[in-house]
Amino acid sequence: AQTVTQSQPEMSVQEAETVTLSCTYDTSESNYYLFWYKQPPSRQMILVIRQEAYKQQNATENRFSVNFQKAAKSFSLKISDSQLGDTAMYFCAFMNRDDKIIFGKGTRLHILP
Amino acid sequence: EADIYQTPRYLVIGTGKKITLECSQTMGHDKMYWYQQDPGMELHLIHYSYGVNSTEKGDLSSESTVSRIRTEHFPLTLESARPSHTSQYLCASQYQETQYFGPGTRLLVL
Repeated sequence: AQTVTQSQPEMSVQEAETVTLSCTYDTSESNYYLFWYKQPPSRQMILVIRQEAYKQQNATENRFSVNFQKAAKSFSLKISDSQLGDTAMYFCAFMNRDDKIIFGKGTRLHILP
Repeated sequence: EADIYQTPRYLVIGTGKKITLECSQTMGHDKMYWYQQDPGMELHLIHYSYGVNSTEKGDLSSESTVSRIRTEHFPLTLESARPSHTSQYLCASQYQETQYFGPGTRLLVL
C-alpha cells in the first residue's frame, strides 16, 4: 500500500526563522509526483510546491524549497524567513499512476511573532 | 491555476434531509475529485471522475453519490443526511498532474 507519513503533528517557530517539515512515503512506483499543500485556518487549500520524481533537482518556490531524497523516499519542506502568514496546516501528498492523491495526516505549523 | 467554486460554503441541516453540494470549475478540466476532511485532519478521497459520465468511488466508503453530466459540474448528493456526515467536503480539479482545490463546504447535520 502507498502511504505518506508526516512525523511532526505540530511545530512552532519564531517569525523570520527557518523551519523544516518532514515527510516520508512508501511506493513501488518509479515515476510519481509529490506535493506540499498549505491549508490556512478556515481557508482554502493551496499548492505550495510540486516535485516530479524523475527530476533530481529539488523544486523551489521563493521561500519554499524541498529536499527530495528518492532512494530514502523522503520529501521535506523548508520554509526560509518564515512569516506570520505561513501559519497553517501543511500536507505532504503523493500522486500515484492512477492520478489519485494520498495525503499525510498533516503538520500544524505556528509562526510566532 | 484553476477556479473551483463550491456552494454552499456552510450548511446546517436536520437529519434525514436530502442535500446536494455543488462544485464547478471553469477551466474545462476532465478530472475532478471529492474529499472529506474532518477539522484538522487528513483528506480522504470519496469520489472521482475522469470525464463526463465517468464516476468512481474513492478509498473512503461514503453514502454519498455523484454525477458528471457536464465537464464543468460535479455535484455530490446525500439522500438522507445523518450526524455522522458532519464534516468538510472539498472539491478539486486536476490540470497537468496537479490538483487544485475549492474553498470547501462545511456541513453540520443535527
